[in-house]
Amino acid sequence: EAGVAQSPRYKIIEKRQSVAFWCNPISGHATLYWYQQILGQGPKLLIQFQNNGVVDDSQLPKDRFSAERLKGVDSTLKIQPAKLEDSAVYLCASSLDRADTQYFGPGTRLTVL
Amino acid sequence: AQSVTQLDSHVSVSEGTPVLLRCNYSSSYSPSLFWYVQHPNKGLQLLLKYTSAATLVKGINGFEAEFKKSETSFHLTKPSAHMSDAAEYFCVVSRIGTYKYIFGTGTRLKVLA
Repeated sequence: EAGVAQSPRYKIIEKRQSVAFWCNPISGHATLYWYQQILGQGPKLLIQFQNNGVVDDSQLPKDRFSAERLKGVDSTLKIQPAKLEDSAVYLCASSLDRADTQYFGPGTRLTVL
Repeated sequence: AQSVTQLDSHVSVSEGTPVLLRCNYSSSYSPSLFWYVQHPNKGLQLLLKYTSAATLVKGINGFEAEFKKSETSFHLTKPSAHMSDAAEYFCVVSRIGTYKYIFGTGTRLKVLA
C-alpha cells in the first residue's frame, strides 16, 4: 500500500513570496491533516479535512495560509506572503476516518530567507 | 484537558543496552496513546498504539510500551538499542471526542557505538 505522498520535499523562498505544497493521502482515507513542525518542536495541527470539508482550522493563520481539498482526495497548502517564522517542516497526514490512526508523509522542508 | 509530557528531551544509550523513553499523560478518560518515531529528514512513523486493549503494547522494531493508569504513564522501551534507533521519538495522546493529536515535545535518542 502506498503511503502519503508530498511534494516538493524542499523549498527555499524569499520572504513575501508565495509557496504551495501538495499532498496525496493514502487511498480511501477520508481525513487529511496538515501540520507545521518548527525545529525542535512537536507537530502542530494547522487544518483538518473530512472528505472535502474543513473540520478544524482553528490554528491556521488565515491571513496568509490557505488550504483546499476540492475533490476530497489531494490537498494543497499555500502560504502568501511568507514570513521568516514560516520556516518549518510541513507534514501531511491521513487517516481512514477521524478516530483512526494517522499516517504521515515525509514532509516538505520550507526555508524562508 | 488532555496533555502529554515527555520527561527527557535527550537520551543517550550505548548500542546493545536497554532503551527507556518516558511519557506521562493527563486525561480525564481512558485515552488513546501513540509513539511515533522521526528519523532525520523523514516523516513520522507509527511505532505502536494503545487503544484500551492489552496494557502491554508491542510495536515495530522490537519496541514496546506499557500503559499504567495508576501512574498515568506510557513509557517506551526496547531491550537492546541498535544504531538505527537513533531518531526523535514523540509520545501522542488523542483527544477524546475530537480525536485531535496532542504531541509531546519529543525525545532525541542517541545511540553510541
